[in-house]
Amino acid sequence: AQKITQTQPGMFVQEKEAVTLDCTYDTSDPSYGLFWYKQPSSGEMIFLIYQGSYDQQNATEGRYSLNFQKARKSANLVISASQLGDSAMYFCAMREGRVTSYDKVIFGPGTSLSVIP
Amino acid sequence: GAGVSQSPSNKVTEKGKDVELRCDPISGHTALYWYRQSLGQGLEFLIYFQGNSAPDKSGLPSDRFSAERTGGSVSTLTIQRTQQEDSAVYLCASSRRDSRSLQETQYFGPGTRLLVL
Repeated sequence: AQKITQTQPGMFVQEKEAVTLDCTYDTSDPSYGLFWYKQPSSGEMIFLIYQGSYDQQNATEGRYSLNFQKARKSANLVISASQLGDSAMYFCAMREGRVTSYDKVIFGPGTSLSVIP
Repeated sequence: GAGVSQSPSNKVTEKGKDVELRCDPISGHTALYWYRQSLGQGLEFLIYFQGNSAPDKSGLPSDRFSAERTGGSVSTLTIQRTQQEDSAVYLCASSRRDSRSLQETQYFGPGTRLLVL
């Protein structure tokens, strides 16, 4: 069963506008961590932001923020003031806290973001 | 300091041949992961090593795939009798494990692009 769902295969956003990339996840574990990674066309994976299941506040890192809705099991990434360099694939990922699966990080299928000048 | 390195960066092989892919994690990182990424797809978990514990091999797609980690550092992913569907980018990642934290960030290598003809 798919544990991480990213329903937007491709997204377009105008430069300087904000964009939201969707991510929903499935877990019965009360303890888990959520990550977002960026993969430009060069292929490198760049860590962007982390949200823990027990964190009281939504995570923010510069222009990136995470809209964490625990009851809905969603962890959407918001990029403010989009720049041309934001054009890339974006992956949502999860690490569960169960002892038997601890440390295994699973990734969603990704969303391709294109920033239009 | 040095990041995660992988070699070769590109590998072209003929169907039926064996290939070995190498990963050098960041010094001091005790956790090491292998992922496979097919063209335009997300990351597929293959195998995970943590210190001296038995590796989590639950993602290996068939018995043609195996991996070793010698001395808790360098890892080799071996694919025997390669098939055309094995063509993909193979990514290695490492992370620190000095604390039991869900927030441990994975640092990715540049990947090995494998093409099976």
